[in-house]
Amino acid sequence: DVQMTQSPSNLAASPGESVSINCKASKSISKYLAWYQQKPGKANKLLIYSGSTLQSGTPSRFSGSGSGTDFTLTIRNLEPEDFGLYYCQQHNEYPPTFGAGTKLELK
Amino acid sequence: EVQLVESGGGLVQPGRSLKLSCAASGFTFSDYYMAWVRQAPTKGLEWVASISYDGGSTYYRDSVKGRFTISRDNAKSSLYLQMDSLRSEDTATYYCTTAEGIPLYYFDYWGQGVMVTVSS
Repeated sequence: DVQMTQSPSNLAASPGESVSINCKASKSISKYLAWYQQKPGKANKLLIYSGSTLQSGTPSRFSGSGSGTDFTLTIRNLEPEDFGLYYCQQHNEYPPTFGAGTKLELK
Repeated sequence: EVQLVESGGGLVQPGRSLKLSCAASGFTFSDYYMAWVRQAPTKGLEWVASISYDGGSTYYRDSVKGRFTISRDNAKSSLYLQMDSLRSEDTATYYCTTAEGIPLYYFDYWGQGVMVTVSS
């Protein structure tokens, strides 16, 4: 299975700041990486797929980059609703696998 | 609006069975692969099983092969997960999701999840 390693595990930031979350695959997954947001009491939300394609409804302050084994989710000009858990997932080969998550907290 | 509503969770003893259901609305159910993804308490997300548009193809993670069965009823816009021989490590919140993408799927819509606790 492709192992997905996310860093950092925890991240503290203030509204208006920019943050980056990294995801590293144990082997090349081409561009096929998705990012999700998880918040208590809400359905998980797909933000980005295929590395950099924004899902319909994802605000433009979110962006994804990378290919091969190294990927980054960047959130610019943080809004209060952006705080929560973020997961990456490779969608290149079976079985689909997720990173362990990054908790983005209010500083 | 896409809605996925899971039901059927609860407390069950090890070795027993449980069947989860997911009622879908707001989209053409038969146009989507569907999947179950789970999350153990305080842990990350883990894909469990997927099913093709017409149910003709199914896919499972190794740890549930032979114990879990995913199925769907397109006439009822419903997805199911029959879980047999349950183990303590199956304790998790189970999410019903749509699945699309190439070459393998990502999970674009999620339900709120249903809790399954396996304990004596």
